[in-house]
Amino acid sequence: DADVTQTPRNRITKTGKRIMLECSQTKGHDRMYWYRQDPGLGLRLIYYSFDVKDINKGEISDGYSVSRQAQAKFSLSLESAIPNQTALYFCATSNRPGGGRTGELFFGEGSRLTVL
Amino acid sequence: SQELEQSPQSLIVQEGKNLTINCTSSKTLYGLYWYKQKYGEGLIFLMMLQKGGEEKSHEKITAKLDEKKQQSSLHITASQPSHAGIYLCGADATGTASKLTFGTGTRLQVTL
Repeated sequence: DADVTQTPRNRITKTGKRIMLECSQTKGHDRMYWYRQDPGLGLRLIYYSFDVKDINKGEISDGYSVSRQAQAKFSLSLESAIPNQTALYFCATSNRPGGGRTGELFFGEGSRLTVL
Repeated sequence: SQELEQSPQSLIVQEGKNLTINCTSSKTLYGLYWYKQKYGEGLIFLMMLQKGGEEKSHEKITAKLDEKKQQSSLHITASQPSHAGIYLCGADATGTASKLTFGTGTRLQVTL
């Protein structure tokens, strides 16, 4: 089983609908992230969380919200989806660097969202 | 905010040829992470560089961080079809790896 699991893997929805993307991890990491990937724009950070009570906005948080339900679960919501939110969304986890750890991100397989 | 520029944006090489991908930062890098992504899939961590002048290798892939810590290069020797994919660099501008900024990626195709 994957260490970082995203559901759904693919979703097609209509403008104005509420969508939730879920992420769960078995790595025991405190840090969790949501990124979106668009052709030619690379990965951009939406939100990140360093523990259950910590939520931080990334560079493109408008139109999104998140919930950290537990150390292992971090969900991303689009309250009212719009077509320009069509993208590939990635959840990632990491440890704090130090003690031999590099702090690299471990990514899920991605959730492809299409908003019509 | 930090910006990362990767070059080239795309690359087609013949199997067996060497190639280099560059990643240039607008700010000093505290850490530079290289990832590989197969088309439409998740990202796989390759290696991380932290010290100016540092060089690391994994199989036929070598990455270097320049002395001034604002540029990194990824070099693949004797490319194989398995090297095809998108290579992304991610930068730590805080020193705590609290959030990484990514480049736009380099798409590599390896022809037979």
